[in-house]
Amino acid sequence: IAGITQAPTSQILAAGRRMTLRCTQDMRHNAMYWYRQDLGLGLRLIHYSNTAGTTGKGEVPDGYSVSRANTDDFPLTLASAVPSQTSVYFCASSATSGGTDTQYFGPGTRLTVL
Amino acid sequence: AQSVTQLGSHVSVSEGALVLLRCNYSSSVPPYLFWYVQYPNQGLQLLLKYTSAATLVKGINDFEAEFKKSETSFHLTKPSAHMSDAAEYFCAVSDQSQEGGSYIPTFGRGTSLIVHP
Repeated sequence: IAGITQAPTSQILAAGRRMTLRCTQDMRHNAMYWYRQDLGLGLRLIHYSNTAGTTGKGEVPDGYSVSRANTDDFPLTLASAVPSQTSVYFCASSATSGGTDTQYFGPGTRLTVL
Repeated sequence: AQSVTQLGSHVSVSEGALVLLRCNYSSSVPPYLFWYVQYPNQGLQLLLKYTSAATLVKGINDFEAEFKKSETSFHLTKPSAHMSDAAEYFCAVSDQSQEGGSYIPTFGRGTSLIVHP
């Protein structure tokens, strides 16, 4: 079982370009999340999805969009990248959004916007 | 609203010494509490979690944490540090205070554990 896969592993992107970070899970989890990790700031939630077909905004949603067309996939799109979006991005999933469930994290995507 | 404070961005211990990583939370309702570990260039992995059962929670690799409601704390301890414990540790809290009634965890800023030989 692979768990959660993310692609690409790393990317250097010119400012103004559009970029989609991919996330796929094979655990049939209902809930999925996107976080960004920045030094000294910990993990901050960008968007989440409690179940396929629904999404919600997290703490830092501006400049990002998500979709959840099916259970397994939860792509994150940067419509027009800016340097402040340079970060490490982690996708996570949990069986439900019921609070006691463990979150499982992917290996991350390191994004640099120049 | 929920929040988490991890005291100390870096903690340095000698191999074999006690590890103590501090976490205080703020929650308007009884919380669920988690500790996650992140090894270099990897995603986060669960160490242990408190879900309103026993207040002393045991996790993997001899880590444990005690939920103290009166102190709003959930400190992580390990009796004897190993070199392999060097990593970033995150405390997280979730309660039903998000819009729509979701229990989405809020993470602390992390504590980097440094283990000296």
